[in-house]
Amino acid sequence: EVQVVESGGGLVKPGGSLRLSCAASGFSFSSYSMNWVRQAPGKGLEWVSSISSSSNYIYHADSVKGRFTISRDNAKNSLYLQMNSLRVEDTAVYYCARELAAVGTELDVWGQGTTVIVSS
Amino acid sequence: SSELTQDPAVSVALGQTVRITCQGDSLRSYYASWYQQKPGQAPILVIYGKNNRPSGIPDRFSGSRSGNTASLTITGAQAEDEADYYCNSRDNSVNHHVLFGGGTKLTVL
Repeated sequence: EVQVVESGGGLVKPGGSLRLSCAASGFSFSSYSMNWVRQAPGKGLEWVSSISSSSNYIYHADSVKGRFTISRDNAKNSLYLQMNSLRVEDTAVYYCARELAAVGTELDVWGQGTTVIVSS
Repeated sequence: SSELTQDPAVSVALGQTVRITCQGDSLRSYYASWYQQKPGQAPILVIYGKNNRPSGIPDRFSGSRSGNTASLTITGAQAEDEADYYCNSRDNSVNHHVLFGGGTKLTVL
């Protein structure tokens, strides 16, 4: 079964750090670009970061640039999001998603998400 | 950066046809993808490209584009189609960035 499973969420104080992980299985992980997308409570989806299959191309949304870093380990079929200098507004469910790359930005495999709460 | 605009809420009678739209300059250059999200669940890709459905998506879902507007059409809406729907595309003003629309809450009456 093709799936991705996120982990690493939790409660952290403003200014703190957290590292999210995403474990992929059932497909050739090293062949796909991957993304992180988040959803604040009661809000819509917000793209956070993307990374190409071999990590040559990395992009971050302006809202997280300089604070978050996306990375991957193809040998471990894993995607990561290092989040530093966390703010209250980073509170959200964070989804890991595979980029189909058939035509554009279609994200065809999503995990169930991991919840990050930034609060004092 | 650019943005994608969706109507916050749309309703449709059971069995009728509904169109959900997404507007933005990026859509003149890139196709939109569409996602369905039910409460407490992860999004699901329902339409991508010109009009492609992933395996398992019913054929009552279809997509189209005209100018700067992409549309998701549900022909013969079912009760289980009640959900939030999001569009996304590449951002044509910031290379390789990704945009999401604000989402449309679909109610099936």
